[in-house]
Amino acid sequence: EAGVVQSPRYKIIEKKQPVAFWCNPISGHNTLYWYRQNLGQGPELLIRYENEEAVDDSQLPKDRFSAERLKGVDSTLKIQPAELGDSAVYLCASSLGTSGEIETQYFGPGTRLLVL
Amino acid sequence: KNQVEQSPQSLIILEGKNCTLQCNYTVSPFSNLRWYKQDTGRGPVSLTIMTFSENTKSNGRYTATLDADTKQSSLHITASQLSDSASYICVVSAGGGTYKYIFGTGTRLKVLA
Repeated sequence: EAGVVQSPRYKIIEKKQPVAFWCNPISGHNTLYWYRQNLGQGPELLIRYENEEAVDDSQLPKDRFSAERLKGVDSTLKIQPAELGDSAVYLCASSLGTSGEIETQYFGPGTRLLVL
Repeated sequence: KNQVEQSPQSLIILEGKNCTLQCNYTVSPFSNLRWYKQDTGRGPVSLTIMTFSENTKSNGRYTATLDADTKQSSLHITASQLSDSASYICVVSAGGGTYKYIFGTGTRLKVLA
C-alpha cells in the first residue's frame, strides 16, 4: 500500500515568489494535516481537514498561506508571497478519521522549502 | 501553557547498548501520548500510542512508559542497532475534542558501530 505522497521533495525559490505543495493521502483516509517543521524543532500544525472541510486552520498564517482539499482527497498548500522565514519542511499527514484523537497519523516525506 | 520537553537533546551510543529517552509534558486536558521515530529527510513514523490508563507499551525493541501522575514518559530502546539512528519525537494530544497535538523538539540519537 502506498503511503502519503508529497511533491515536490525540494523547492528553492526567491523571496516574494509563490510556491505550492501537493499531498496525496493514503487511500481511504478522511483526515489530512499540514505541518511545518523548522530545523531542529518538532512539527507544528498548520491546518487539519476532515474530508474537504478545514476544521482547524487557527495556526495557518492566512495573509500569505492558503490550502485546499478538493473532493476530500488530494490537498495543496500555497504560500504567496514567500518570505525568508518560510524556509522549513512542510509535512503532510493523514489518518482514517474514524477513531478520534487516538488514531495514528501517517506522515509523508515532506517538502523541503528554501527561500533565498 | 501546553508544553512537551524532551531530554537529552542528543545522544550517542554504541551498537548493542540500551538507552532511555525522556519526555515531560504540561498538557491539559490529556488524551494520549505518542512516540515517533523520524529518520533524516523523512516524515515521522509512529512507534507507540498510550492513553491515560496505559503505563507501558512495547513495539519490538522499543518500550514506552507513561506516568500520568507525574506527566512523564520514557522510551527505552533495547539492543540498539545502527538503523535506530534518528530523531525521536514525543507528542502529547490535548483531549477534549481539540485535536491539538503538542510536539516535543525531539532527541537526536546516533548509534555507532
